[in-house]
Amino acid sequence: AQSVTQLDSQVPVFEEAPVELRCNYSSSVSVYLFWYVQYPNQGLQLLLKYLSGSTLVKSINGFEAEFNKSQTSFHLRKPSVHISDTAEYFCAVSGLDNAGNMLTFGGGTRLMVKP
Amino acid sequence: DAGVTQSPTHLIKTRGQQVTLRCSPKSGHDTVSWYQQALGQGPQFIFQYYEEEERQRGNFPDRFSGHQFPNYSSELNVNALLLGDSALYLCASSFGTIPPYEQYFGPGTRLTVT
Repeated sequence: AQSVTQLDSQVPVFEEAPVELRCNYSSSVSVYLFWYVQYPNQGLQLLLKYLSGSTLVKSINGFEAEFNKSQTSFHLRKPSVHISDTAEYFCAVSGLDNAGNMLTFGGGTRLMVKP
Repeated sequence: DAGVTQSPTHLIKTRGQQVTLRCSPKSGHDTVSWYQQALGQGPQFIFQYYEEEERQRGNFPDRFSGHQFPNYSSELNVNALLLGDSALYLCASSFGTIPPYEQYFGPGTRLTVT
């Protein structure tokens, strides 16, 4: 079984400032890791994923996340945020032993970008 | 290319009633998963259907049941509704039997139980 902890429920930040959303996970097996974004009144959109290989993964809109196996973390970062980045962000894991690919989510972090 | 679609968008039911939610997967996908997202929380896995059978189930009571049709669409049924069943119900679709299965989510059905 897996569990995910997102350490910050809310992160307020000014526009054009850098941001880091923290995610730690627990698992007895190797995992795939994901970040999803949820805009108000919408479903989840996949932002980026770590499957294997390079531990630094990037999205097309400037976000990046780094898998740290020793610290069991997968923190999400962006060097300069925009107002449009305001949303709820969810970290999720799926164990490699999970034939059904069940996703286990963290509680979410609300990113609030202020002008 | 249509993504994952869900119906209805919103639903209001009374405690004790039964409800059916529907999901059509993204074109080309053959697997459907259902998640419950309570207000202010992350989604929780309910179950997953593949080849018209329940492949995996999360920690939800038997009041929650599902079905997958030959065209891969799916239904989620909840019996004897409780106030605590009020949530956003998300459907996700994916393809294949080899991991990783990238899941695409629909917009959800907002269920309110009064």
